[in-house]
Amino acid sequence: DVKVTQSSRYLVKRTGEKVFLECVQDMDHENMFWYRQDPGLGLRLIYFSYDVKMKEKGDIPEGYSVSREKKERFSLILESASTNQTSMYLCASSTGTGVYEQYFGPGTRLTVT
Amino acid sequence: DQQVKQNSPSLSVQEGRISILNCDYTNSMFDYFLWYKKYPAEGPTFLISISSIKDKNEDGRFTVFLNKSAKHLSLHIVPSQPGDSAVYFCAAFFQGAQKLVFGQGTRLTINP
Repeated sequence: DVKVTQSSRYLVKRTGEKVFLECVQDMDHENMFWYRQDPGLGLRLIYFSYDVKMKEKGDIPEGYSVSREKKERFSLILESASTNQTSMYLCASSTGTGVYEQYFGPGTRLTVT
Repeated sequence: DQQVKQNSPSLSVQEGRISILNCDYTNSMFDYFLWYKKYPAEGPTFLISISSIKDKNEDGRFTVFLNKSAKHLSLHIVPSQPGDSAVYFCAAFFQGAQKLVFGQGTRLTINP
């Protein structure tokens, strides 16, 4: 079974803090993705990566950056957290040939106060 | 610009009956359509998909129908079971963009 794990299930941070969300997959997938889920808006893509050290902006990259130093790990960074970044963050991965079918982690509920 | 829309935020169905979840899209270039299911405090899990060259795909109790002329797809669950209560996301993919586009989700509740 594909396993995608995220470092924290719940996180509370203060406005202005730098926040790191970590994601690890164990199936040697080439592609990794970060989404945020908000009520009424569905899942929106923040960033994705097709390979180590490679990244592409998604639909809502503002206020976020990413890092992929190893194939199995994809980090999402909030440089200076703001209250409008309070959300559920979901990481996903997929194989190079099956980009359309993604496997998701359990999510991190981030609250910025 | 919402390319994939699920216009019903919620749906309530009696156990044993058919559940029909709907999804509309605007981009005729999409190659695949997928349905994901999400329980609270868990990540979405893949349920079923359909290629844009087909009009139906069936997997057990789940059937997805695609109407390209109407840019509409639907997920049928027959018979509905209490464990089907979850949020269902419709998603679309096209090779050009190499990414999934998700709808807003529909919360399905199956009543005993």
